[in-house]
Amino acid sequence: QQPVQSPQAVILREGEDAVINCSSSKALYSVHWYRQKHGEAPVFLMILLKGGEQKGHEKISASFNEKKQQSSLYLTASQLSYSGTYFCGTIDQGAQKLVFGQGTRLTINP
Amino acid sequence: ETGVTQSPTHLIKTRGQQVTLRCSSQSGHNTVSWYQQALGQGPQFIFQYYREEENGRGNFPPRFSGLQFPNYSSELNVNALELDDSALYLCASSASRTEAFFGQGTRLTVV
Repeated sequence: QQPVQSPQAVILREGEDAVINCSSSKALYSVHWYRQKHGEAPVFLMILLKGGEQKGHEKISASFNEKKQQSSLYLTASQLSYSGTYFCGTIDQGAQKLVFGQGTRLTINP
Repeated sequence: ETGVTQSPTHLIKTRGQQVTLRCSSQSGHNTVSWYQQALGQGPQFIFQYYREEENGRGNFPPRFSGLQFPNYSSELNVNALELDDSALYLCASSASRTEAFFGQGTRLTVV
């Protein structure tokens, strides 16, 4: 079952904050976040394994609410380099395969 | 650099032909997953190999097949190519259910 991401697209000015959401209809084992720039492969950002876990990566952090089967990616004080399409990937409880959402396109303008 | 390499990087094939794409996994990783990514879409799961066995498959027809070798490298084979098979094919290497790292992809064009 493919996770659902929202919003589909975001346009920000440099320095603004953004939140990207990912939700699943199934119980999740883990949530993975990736960023993909045009013409390139997805780049791994972080993995979240436990309910309520929050992780950070410079000014990019994420949370995982296991009970709600939801994860959110937080980008603070966005930089031009943050532009790209963000994908969440999920592994269901008891499953092996990593399944991706449809992506959220983030555009950062100067 | 993820340590995951794919070959070739670009390929043009004619409808009806067969193609083989290759992926070398990152050292220490025993799992390889293959994805198809159409323009503007998220990666779609094709199948996954764990220790040379297929252990998960997405909604792709049997003409999509694969192999994993003892060194954990992998191949994706597609028979009877169709125009809609044109896409970026990505392999991702991981140690079972941990973080997966992608290769740079193979851009396949079917004409």
